[in-house]
Amino acid sequence: EDKVVQSPLSLVVHEGDTVTLNCSYEVTNFRSLLWYKQEKKAPTFLFMLTSSGIEKKSGRLSSILDKKELFSILNITATQTGDSAIYLCAVEMPNFGNEKLTFGTGTRLTIIP
Amino acid sequence: GAVVSQHPSRVICKSGTSVKIECRSLDFQATTMFWYRQFPKQSLMLMATSNEGSKATYEQGVEKDKFLINHASLTLSTLTVTSAHPEDSSFYICSAQIPTGGETQYFGPGTRLLVL
Repeated sequence: EDKVVQSPLSLVVHEGDTVTLNCSYEVTNFRSLLWYKQEKKAPTFLFMLTSSGIEKKSGRLSSILDKKELFSILNITATQTGDSAIYLCAVEMPNFGNEKLTFGTGTRLTIIP
Repeated sequence: GAVVSQHPSRVICKSGTSVKIECRSLDFQATTMFWYRQFPKQSLMLMATSNEGSKATYEQGVEKDKFLINHASLTLSTLTVTSAHPEDSSFYICSAQIPTGGETQYFGPGTRLLVL
């Protein structure tokens, strides 16, 4: 059974702290790993990772994939209250010519001013 | 854990036909289900919120007569794309919420629609 597990389930930190969110996966076939930020409505795309060891950065956010150990981390430095959200990890798999997405249940991040 | 399935996983149809996509919560009852559209390397776009036993709430810009949503039971919501056109080709994803599970959404694996 394909599985994506995120940890921690929830995290509360003070503004300015650095956080690391984890995503591990066990899937039959791997194409890419995606990170999303979900605030009020739809998840917003953050990163797509396909290769091991190559860090992707966007402002204070960065992410890296380890295909040998089957996990990815999402780092947020100098956190701000606007970073409060649910962060979702999803693994994209090719599935007999189709694609299939398996999501983790997310990490709820709360930033305290 | 909570499992959400979608059927079919992939569908190819001719322009002008209607396509129905099912979203099922397999091991829990979901009073609320969400329908999203995903474009490559882009965010998920919320199309509508489906509540069991009542009319769906559509997001601005989503045509309710084109994308018919029926949430007939606590474990099943359907999205029907009526008179599909090539621009409707996309990856459609549903998610479901457990009534007492807070805001956590459990996502289905998605349905790839290709309209020729």
